[in-house]
Amino acid sequence: NAGVTQTPKFQVLKTGQSMTLQCAQDMNHEYMSWYRQDPGMGLRLIHYSVGAGITDQGEVPNGYNVSRSTTEDFPLRLLSAAPSQTSVYFCASSFEAGERYGYTFGSGTRLTVV
Amino acid sequence: TQLLEQSPQFLSIQEGENLTVYCNSSSVFSSLQWYRQEPGEGPVLLVTVVTGGEVKKLKRLTFQFGDARKDSSLHITAAQPGDTGLYLCAGARSQNFGNEKLTFGTGTRLTIIP
Repeated sequence: NAGVTQTPKFQVLKTGQSMTLQCAQDMNHEYMSWYRQDPGMGLRLIHYSVGAGITDQGEVPNGYNVSRSTTEDFPLRLLSAAPSQTSVYFCASSFEAGERYGYTFGSGTRLTVV
Repeated sequence: TQLLEQSPQFLSIQEGENLTVYCNSSSVFSSLQWYRQEPGEGPVLLVTVVTGGEVKKLKRLTFQFGDARKDSSLHITAAQPGDTGLYLCAGARSQNFGNEKLTFGTGTRLTIIP
């Protein structure tokens, strides 16, 4: 069981570049979400999806886009990277909205924007 | 505004000692989850508590949800070096199905000294 797979593990971008962080899960989970983790800030929700074709904004959505064309995949796009987006990004999935079942997290993508 | 405050932020104790970490909020949560995160990895779910006053045990770990569902505690008995990690609490405030958002605390970084 692969669980939640994130790629790449590490990435360095120049300011203004774009990139897509990939997230895939093989557990047939309907609910998927993206978080960023910064020192002293905890995990903050960027975007989430309750099923294929449905996405919504979280706490810190600015500068990020998402789409959910399949149940398995939930990519996060940075259109024009900024140094403030330097962070560790985690994708998570859950059978339902996670209230009772908890979330399965990927191992993260460490992004540095210079 | 940080909805979930965790204390202490850092805790370093000797192997074999007992410890308690806390997760407090002024908000009511429909459920609360505890995760442990190791360096370079994503958080891993330990437990979910959903009923006020609920107590759950996981080997040497005891989790309690406050009666008013605003706070929680994690007690570790006879700590071992394998307990070292970042402990995160996360509260869920369901509005309607599929729209629940999980709010994370900033974590307690626990180090067990052999």
